[in-house]
Amino acid sequence: SAVISQKPSRDICQRGTSLTIQCQVDSQVTMMFWYRQQPGQSLTLIATANQGSEATYESGFVIDKFPISRPNLTFSTLTVSNMSPEDSSIYLCSVDGDGIQYFGAGTRLSVL
Amino acid sequence: QKEVEQNSGPLSVPEGAIASLNCTYSDRGSQSFFWYRQYSGKSPELIMFIYSNGDKEDGRFTAQLNKASQYVSLLIRDSQPSDSATYLCAVRDNQGGKLIFGQGTELSVKP
Repeated sequence: SAVISQKPSRDICQRGTSLTIQCQVDSQVTMMFWYRQQPGQSLTLIATANQGSEATYESGFVIDKFPISRPNLTFSTLTVSNMSPEDSSIYLCSVDGDGIQYFGAGTRLSVL
Repeated sequence: QKEVEQNSGPLSVPEGAIASLNCTYSDRGSQSFFWYRQYSGKSPELIMFIYSNGDKEDGRFTAQLNKASQYVSLLIRDSQPSDSATYLCAVRDNQGGKLIFGQGTELSVKP
């Protein structure tokens, strides 16, 4: 399985600011995904990060709020923009390896 | 809207018993099914995947798939307190390749 490094592991931010989360994989992968897990909830897919093209966003998520970069096959970033307390969640990076999705350790975000 | 449904629990079983976790899905065309375990404060960890009808066993874990009934289950034999976690059922979207997750079942194994 792929080794996924995600950082920061946690952060506390002020409302109105932005946070960029990084995801680094130890091998080249075609598909990378960003999920959100709100407190006590299951995982919700934010977007699929595509190398060389714009990310594909799920219903309810927009690029202005969650811009994503995918400069190469081993790295992606997710930015949470203009944060509000409702953005307090765990954000998870995931990669698809041979049809199996593996997850990074997640970023626990608290917005005050 | 493609959906994956699980009983949220909590499901409580005594140590040594069999824990049975169930999941139904709405997309009849789905081909790939996954069970993840998530400890509190941790990220999901894959424990089983199944693609074909029938049973698949791995140690104390058995995944069961019935595509006609659109039903997938996870059995944990000889349950241990360390199995206490939330178990997430996930189904791969046949068109887009993404995973659709159920809401998770919280399992508590009592010593």
